[in-house]
Amino acid sequence: DTEVTQTPKHLVMGMTNKKSLKCEQHMGHRAMYWYKQKAKKPPELMFVYSYEKLSINESVPSRFSPECPNSSLLNLHLHALQPEDSALYLCASSQDRVAGGQLTGELFFGEGSRLTVL
Amino acid sequence: AQSVSQHNHHVILSEAASLELGCNYSYGGTVNLFWYVQYPGQHLQLLLKYFSGDPLVKGIKGFEAEFIKSKFSFNLRKPSVQWSDTAEYFCAVSLFTGGGNKLTFGTGTQLKVEL
Repeated sequence: DTEVTQTPKHLVMGMTNKKSLKCEQHMGHRAMYWYKQKAKKPPELMFVYSYEKLSINESVPSRFSPECPNSSLLNLHLHALQPEDSALYLCASSQDRVAGGQLTGELFFGEGSRLTVL
Repeated sequence: AQSVSQHNHHVILSEAASLELGCNYSYGGTVNLFWYVQYPGQHLQLLLKYFSGDPLVKGIKGFEAEFIKSKFSFNLRKPSVQWSDTAEYFCAVSLFTGGGNKLTFGTGTQLKVEL
């Protein structure tokens, strides 16, 4: 079982709706991530939070708004989405550390939230 | 920016056959390398990882991978596949930037193991 929990598992929304995806981890990890995965494609990085601060935004449209209320929680607020935004949204966390003189860290992924925009 | 290429997009094998999936990356600096697996309807799971040291790494479920620095490769192998290995396999490269850990995935290889 994954230790990264995402809710809801499935979400259907209209283009004028406002909804949120939630992610929680209790592994004490200080970095959290949002990825987007379209069918038959690899996950694509959207946002990285490090120590609760947004550190990487991969030029994601403003209709996606991330939020990190504390070190265990990560939200993705959705507003005015388009049908092409339908995808599996994956949350991940990692505890980056120095080993052998270099930074290392593996990402632990949640099961994802499958979003359908009508 | 780093990129990751997986040459085999679809692989079909019979049970007990040997498996090798290719992965190459394009970055000259220090990277962390991973193979993830995604079983149908399930979340991404880590198969194995390479940070440093012995270039031959062993992972879960009998998988192993070899890091060849001169070839920028990190190929995945398994001596004898099982039907339950049917899944999508992603090679991934992690690069630490000023903003944090950027994990980039290859395009994936869909493996189907037939009985």
